[in-house]
Amino acid sequence: GQNIDQPTEMTATEGAIVQINCTYQTSGFNGLFWYQQHAGEAPTFLSYNVLDGLEEKGRFSSFLSRSKGYSYLLLKELQMKDSASYLCAVRMRGAGSYQLTFGKGTKLSVIP
Amino acid sequence: GAVVSQHPSRVICKSGTSVKIECRSLDFQATTMFWYRQFPKQSLMLMATSNEGSKATYEQGVEKDKFLINHASLTLSTLTVTSAHPEDSSFYICSARGAEYNEQFFGPGTRLTVL
Repeated sequence: GQNIDQPTEMTATEGAIVQINCTYQTSGFNGLFWYQQHAGEAPTFLSYNVLDGLEEKGRFSSFLSRSKGYSYLLLKELQMKDSASYLCAVRMRGAGSYQLTFGKGTKLSVIP
Repeated sequence: GAVVSQHPSRVICKSGTSVKIECRSLDFQATTMFWYRQFPKQSLMLMATSNEGSKATYEQGVEKDKFLINHASLTLSTLTVTSAHPEDSSFYICSARGAEYNEQFFGPGTRLTVL
C-alpha cells in the first residue's frame, strides 16, 4: 500500500519563504510530483523529482530524498496569489500503467 | 504544456439519471487517461486508469458497472455515471499522459450535482 503525509494547513506572510513537507511510504516508487490547486479548479503541475536532490524552477524548488521517503516544496518571495492547496503526489507502477497517488494536500494561506 | 479539456464543466441532474463526462487531449495523443474524484476539502482519489483500446482498471471500491469508462481513441475518454445518486455529487477530474511526457496533464474538472 501507500501512505502520503503532508500538513493540513500552513500560514505564511507575503514576501516570506515557506517549506511544505511531504513524507511517503510506497512500493514501486517512480517519481514525486507537486501540484498547486486553487479552490474549485483542477491541479496544475509545479515540479517533478525522480532522483535525490533539489530541483529549482523560479520561485519554486522541490527536494527529494528517496532513502528517507521525504520531499519538500519551497516557495520563495510569497505572493498573495500563492494561496492555494499544494498536493504532493507519488507515482508508482500500478496495474498496467504508472499512476499518481495524492496526499490530502496542504492549504497555504498567504497573509499581508 | 499539453492541454486537456473536459466537458461539461458543470452538470446538475436528477437522481436515477445517467451523466456522461468527456475528456479530450487537444494537442497530444493520450496513451493513458486517469479519472479522479474529489470531495470537498479532500484530496484527489483515483477512480480508474485506462489505456487506449483496452478496458479500464478500476481502483478498489469503485464500481465498474456504475462508472463506465471508454477510451476508444488516443484523444478521447468518457466517464458515464449511471443511475446517479446524491452521494455521487463530486468534482470529477480527468488527466492524460502521452508517451512523450513524464507528467500527467489535468483537465479543468466537472462539478456534478445530483438532486
